[in-house]
Amino acid sequence: SQTIHQWPATLVQPVGSPLSLECTVEGTSNPNLYWYRQAAGRGLQLLFYSVGIGQISSEVPQNLSASRPQDRQFILSSKKLLLSDSGFYLCAWRNRGGLGETQYFGPGTRLLVL
Amino acid sequence: SQQGEEDPQALSIQEGENATMNCSYKTSINNLQWYRQNSGRGLVHLILIRSNEREKHSGRLRVTLDTSKKSSSLLITASRAADTASYFCAINQGGKLIFGQGTELSVKP
Repeated sequence: SQTIHQWPATLVQPVGSPLSLECTVEGTSNPNLYWYRQAAGRGLQLLFYSVGIGQISSEVPQNLSASRPQDRQFILSSKKLLLSDSGFYLCAWRNRGGLGETQYFGPGTRLLVL
Repeated sequence: SQQGEEDPQALSIQEGENATMNCSYKTSINNLQWYRQNSGRGLVHLILIRSNEREKHSGRLRVTLDTSKKSSSLLITASRAADTASYFCAINQGGKLIFGQGTELSVKP
């Protein structure tokens, strides 16, 4: 069966520090991968998505970047965190092909920038 | 905005009552999905309804879709305290899912 992992679960970082959040998927090949951010009490904002290794699409201009070094690995990074980067970050995957099929979410990483 | 928009933003009911949440959207869709999120957790897919479907059931969940009104509703029957969560609708836009702001449901025992 497919599983998706995210780590760390919680992270407290000072302003200006770098960030690296990792997401890995098991049990599937060639997935589409997604990074979302969720502010407290709000809906999800799509940050990045990837349809293959090295292929990254950015949805909103921001202080973050994403990379996909392996088929089932998706990394969210920042060189210098801002206070506004605080939030709940969710990784998701879905099978490639089809139109808007089900997405499967990881447990999320709560980031607090101080 | 082409995102789904849910109402109400928050809903508080007693155990055993039914809960109805609504979602409106602005663009044409191929399908609409509903997700659930327990506090501080990832989202879990509940149900997908395609544009040529008007109603779909899954256990205590009933979803309707009215493409002429660009709206959908999620009904949870005989609610339980464990149904307490946030519920989001999501529409497909070019292979990406666009989520609404969600309805926060509280079911009191």
